[in-house]
Formats: sequence, structure tokens, C-alpha cells
Amino acid sequence: ILNVEQSPQSLHVQEGDSTNFTCSFPSSNFYALHWYRWETAKSPEALFVMTLNGDEKKKGRISATLNTKEGYSYLYIKGSQPEDSATYLCAFGAPNAGKSTFGDGTTLTVKP
Amino acid sequence: DGGITQSPKYLFRKEGQNVTLSCEQNLNHDAMYWYRQDPGQGLRLIYYSQIVNDFQKGDIAEGYSVSREKKESFPLTVTSAQKNPTAFYLCASKPRHSTDTQYFGPGTRLTVL
Repeated sequence: ILNVEQSPQSLHVQEGDSTNFTCSFPSSNFYALHWYRWETAKSPEALFVMTLNGDEKKKGRISATLNTKEGYSYLYIKGSQPEDSATYLCAFGAPNAGKSTFGDGTTLTVKP
Repeated sequence: DGGITQSPKYLFRKEGQNVTLSCEQNLNHDAMYWYRQDPGQGLRLIYYSQIVNDFQKGDIAEGYSVSREKKESFPLTVTSAQKNPTAFYLCASKPRHSTDTQYFGPGTRLTVL
């Protein structure tokens, strides 16, 4: 079983704060790294898929970076809003396996 | 509308009974997946299927069974052999390639009494 770790487990911030969290994964046999957002009472939705070392992806106030050589990805949220409150999951996809291994997620709560 | 449906949303069963959770997709995706989530934990893979009539065990397959007779359907049976079946179950699908994003259904919360 691959080891995919996310930290911190939970995070509470005030509206307007910027925040970031980490996904760590095996640095060997890298194929793809996915970020998903999972809001309460909804299904997880894809944020980013990252495949190349040094990748940076951005969607509005949310961005992500990837370092495959050291095995980590950062997710940044600039100026957090209450609607950003969700659990953020990362998933490590191995080649030819057809499956992804998920981390336990970081649960973000943004207080107004 | 294209998407993934799971039914029912909530399911209650008595201990010792088998129960089947439904998952249907009309996205024409090749691969389908079943995950389990317990409180405070992430998604753990139960079974997955990359093609019709073929499936592989995930990390926690014991006590579960699946079938993939049609591309659009991937039902999960929770058997009486599953020691702790109460959990939230998510189904997902994706196109063929490993870099593709998974699309998730709304989930089924199973409670065994």
C-alpha cells in the first residue's frame, strides 16, 4: 500500500487569511497527482491534475505546486472565504495501475 | 445529464445480512471504483474495474464483492463477512488513462444495526 500523507489534518482560519497545506507521496514511479475538494453533503470534485515536476496550476484563488523529486505538493488558498470550507484530498496515481491512492485529507474551516 | 448515481442515499441493514449498493454512470467511462470512508479518514479503495467483466481488489477488499457485467454499472455487495460494514461508500468513474480525473457519485451511507 502506497503511503500518501496530508498535513495538517485540520485547519481553522479567519476569512481573508491565506493558507496552505501539504501532500507527501512516494518520489519513485510518479505518474500523476490529483487534488480534489470535498464540500459537506456534496461529492468530491477535481481541482487539479499535475503530472510534471515543477508544475504550477491555478484556479481563481487556489493554486498548487508539485515537486516529484522530493515527493510533495502544496495547495495554496489566497484570501480564504467561508465557501472555501471543505476537505481537500490529494490522490497519487501510479502508472499502469488504473487506481489512485488517496491521502486522509485536510479539512479547512474558514470563519467569517 | 451525464453523471454518476448511487442508490440509496441511506441504507440500514441488520447484522448478518448481505446488502448491495448500486452505482451507475452514463459518462461512457471505462474505469469504475468503490471507496469506503470512515470518520476522520480518507478514501480507501475497495475494488476497481478498468474494463467490463474484469475487476481487481483494492486495499480493503475483504468482505466485499463486485461485478462488472455492463460498462455503466458496478454494484458493490457488502457481505456478512465484512466485520465493520457501517461506513460511507463512494463510487467513482474515470476515462481510460491514469492521469484522468475521477468523477464521484453522491455516496451511500450504510448503517448496520
